[in-house]
Amino acid sequence: DTAVSQTPKYLVTQMGNDKSIKCEQNLGHDTMYWYKQDSKKFLKIMFSYNNKELIINETVPNRFSPKSPDKAHLNLHINSLELGDSAVYFCASSPGLAGVLFADTQYFGPGTRLTVL
Amino acid sequence: DQQVKQNSPSLSVQEGRISILNCDYTNSMFDYFLWYKKYPAEGPTFLISISSIKDKNEDGRFTVFLNKSAKHLSLHIVPSQPGDSAVYFCASGGSNYKLTFGKGTLLTVNP
Repeated sequence: DTAVSQTPKYLVTQMGNDKSIKCEQNLGHDTMYWYKQDSKKFLKIMFSYNNKELIINETVPNRFSPKSPDKAHLNLHINSLELGDSAVYFCASSPGLAGVLFADTQYFGPGTRLTVL
Repeated sequence: DQQVKQNSPSLSVQEGRISILNCDYTNSMFDYFLWYKKYPAEGPTFLISISSIKDKNEDGRFTVFLNKSAKHLSLHIVPSQPGDSAVYFCASGGSNYKLTFGKGTLLTVNP
């Protein structure tokens, strides 16, 4: 009955590889997000989708490509992994768009720790 | 450019006492503020929020205070319990559909 789930929880890979992280929410929310928590512990928004439509696309290298096959899923594919991509990646969802009618409470997944060697 | 700052990386308090976590922001366009709590190896969980039209919101042991003129908010936990030991993130949002998080403050409540 996990609300927001991510797989895998840990991912160790070599530089240059391509990898994907999957996220699913069973809360019926319309909006999903990807955040990156780097070594300095900042949680930074990367992408946001609302009803499968891209809403937020921060300054993220285009090696990162989100895919939302339906509003319950938001996957993150990363091409040509680099050392600096090592971080914890969190998926989140919210009932509506952040900032709209205060429907912004975001529910986070447990995180995926990506280590690039 | 840190728009949300939590200047204390850590705070230690005794069980039963008050914990006060502070957060400063720079963007006057933020119109709502939230606190999240995070345990190790878990995602952040929503704790309490406040709209910019209010100066206080209370939920059980947790109270958030907002001082708009000082661009400052604080989270009060009273009485503090050992289970409150976690990292607390302050977050702010506006009309641009995204939350901006602070760096977090590690709260340790000693029995």
